[in-house]
Amino acid sequence: NAGVTQTPKFQVLKTGQSMTLQCAQDMNHNSMYWYRQDPGMGLRLIYYSASEGTTDKGEVPNGYNVSRLNKREFSLRLESAAPSQTSVYFCASSRGTITSTDTQYFGPGTRLTVL
Amino acid sequence: SQQGEEDPQALSIQEGENATMNCSYKTSINNLQWYRQNSGRGLVHLILIRSNEREKHSGRLRVTLDTSKKSSSLLITASRAADTASYFCATDSGGSYIPTFGRGTSLIVHP
Repeated sequence: NAGVTQTPKFQVLKTGQSMTLQCAQDMNHNSMYWYRQDPGMGLRLIYYSASEGTTDKGEVPNGYNVSRLNKREFSLRLESAAPSQTSVYFCASSRGTITSTDTQYFGPGTRLTVL
Repeated sequence: SQQGEEDPQALSIQEGENATMNCSYKTSINNLQWYRQNSGRGLVHLILIRSNEREKHSGRLRVTLDTSKKSSSLLITASRAADTASYFCATDSGGSYIPTFGRGTSLIVHP
């Protein structure tokens, strides 16, 4: 099992460019999440999906959109990148549908720089 | 916003010593988890302690939870260089079971 995979690993964008971060899990998990990690800020939740076909905003959703393409895949899109979106982005998944505390499994991260 | 706050922010010890990290939180929780993050990697789950539990062990890890003080501690005994990582506490509370992560403690274990 690969667990949670993310592509790309690194990306440099210019301000105003768009891109999509891809995430896939092979554990048949119901819930998936996107976080960003900034120095000194810990992890902040951008969007999450409690089940296939549903998505909800987290703490910092502005400037992002998501798609739960199917049970395996959850993508994060930046429509018009800004320097403030320079960060490390982590995708995670968990078995349940967020109706109880659950272990999260994280991908290796995407390091994004916006110039 | 962070619910849990880890203390200290950074900890440097010698191999073989014990490492203790603390997590304090503001509101009553359902459960608390600890995660580890090696440099340049994703987070890895270490242990979950439920709000009605006071202590839990897993290998060299010992976690305590004091709900009256709204705090938890993670003890790593007989530390190894491979324990060098950042450690995060994560709490969920009320009707939300999505964990909120603290800023983490950076642990360096010198060989």
